[in-house]
Amino acid sequence: DAMVIQNPRYQVTQFGKPVTLSCSQTLNHNVMYWYQQKSSQAPKLLFHYYDKDFNNEADTPDNFQSRRPNTSFCFLDIRSPGLGDAAMYLCATSRDYSFPFFGPGTRLTVL
Amino acid sequence: GQNIDQPTEMTATEGAIVQINCTYQTSGFNGLFWYQQHAGEAPTFLSYNVLDGLEEKGRFSSFLSRSKGYSYLLLKELQMKDSASYLCAVRESAAQAGTALIFGKGTTLSVSS
Repeated sequence: DAMVIQNPRYQVTQFGKPVTLSCSQTLNHNVMYWYQQKSSQAPKLLFHYYDKDFNNEADTPDNFQSRRPNTSFCFLDIRSPGLGDAAMYLCATSRDYSFPFFGPGTRLTVL
Repeated sequence: GQNIDQPTEMTATEGAIVQINCTYQTSGFNGLFWYQQHAGEAPTFLSYNVLDGLEEKGRFSSFLSRSKGYSYLLLKELQMKDSASYLCAVRESAAQAGTALIFGKGTTLSVSS
């Protein structure tokens, strides 16, 4: 089945220790997104790739970086996680302007 | 600026009909989306409106009025499994940089028997 896969599903890291979350898709969608969702809050867009073009949201901290080495994969790097970065990180994909299809998410805990 | 408003919580009983409202003020408009999100899970797509009017899909319908900046999601014949958060989201632009959705905080619907 075509899908969006996120690994790991649960990630625990220490304060200040870099962490990388991964997302892969078999939908061949050209747009990939990263959203951050904290408890009882709306998903907040961090950035997205439209094909190879990177679009960063103005209020996304520099601590968050992303890489998209090919169509299928996209990574979220958190260079120095703080306690406030504990959240669910959602990867989504879409074909141009169609509705985004979300992966299952990675729940990040920062100790 | 961007502002998407939804009620925080709603309750209803099995078999009933519930309407979840969403108002938006965004710098542009290129479509409104409704997603369902169960606790601890990813959002799943429910409906999409880009023109005024009603879109019906089984037990779920969504309405849009662009001039009023208003949408609602109508859920009929409620079931217990409909207990979830319902997220309203707006796409601001057809340009590449605006293709991402801006989400409201969601409405938590509790369905009781």
